[in-house]
Amino acid sequence: NAGVMQNPRHLVRRRGQEARLRCSPMKGHSHVYWYRQLPEEGLKFMVYLQKENIIDESGMPKERFSAEFPKEGPSILRIQQVVRGDSAAYFCASSPVRDTEAFFGQGTRLTVV
Amino acid sequence: AQSVAQPEDQVNVAEGNPLTVKCTYSVSGNPYLFWYVQYPNRGLQFLLKYITGDNLVKGSYGFEAEFNKSQTSFHLKKPSALVSDSALYFCAVRDPRPSGSARQLTFGSGTQLTVLP
Repeated sequence: NAGVMQNPRHLVRRRGQEARLRCSPMKGHSHVYWYRQLPEEGLKFMVYLQKENIIDESGMPKERFSAEFPKEGPSILRIQQVVRGDSAAYFCASSPVRDTEAFFGQGTRLTVV
Repeated sequence: AQSVAQPEDQVNVAEGNPLTVKCTYSVSGNPYLFWYVQYPNRGLQFLLKYITGDNLVKGSYGFEAEFNKSQTSFHLKKPSALVSDSALYFCAVRDPRPSGSARQLTFGSGTQLTVLP
């Protein structure tokens, strides 16, 4: 059973471009969480999704950021018109049901130049 | 709102000595508590969790944690530290109450553990 797979591992974007981060949860997991880790900081919750539904997006900026978890395929975190402040490590986690531990991917390190 | 505090940014310990990484939490009701470890340029690896039951929880790699409700603490411990334990450790809490929305993990700011040979 493969773990949570995130790609790409590293992503470089120029200011104003779009960044698409992908996350394939562990097999059998229907709950996906996205977190952002800024340098020298802990993880901050962004959004929680189940298949085809956004359950909680309270941690996600209202503008430029969006997330989806379609019926088929990976979850996508999309950042439009990236700015330097978006540079961070973005981690995806999945769990089979809500009240269990979440398993994390290795993250996508976004650098905006 | 739930929160987690890890009061020490950095903990240094000699190899073979016991280690403690501190964590206190704030949540309404009985918490779900977790410890994760992060190695450089890697994701978080689950170490252990407390949901209910015995206050002393044993986890991976010889780590354990003690839930103390009166002190709202969940300190991570290991009897004998290894150099390979050097990493960034995160404590996390989840509110178990049904809320209508997600009960996401709230993380502490992390504690860098360095085990000296």
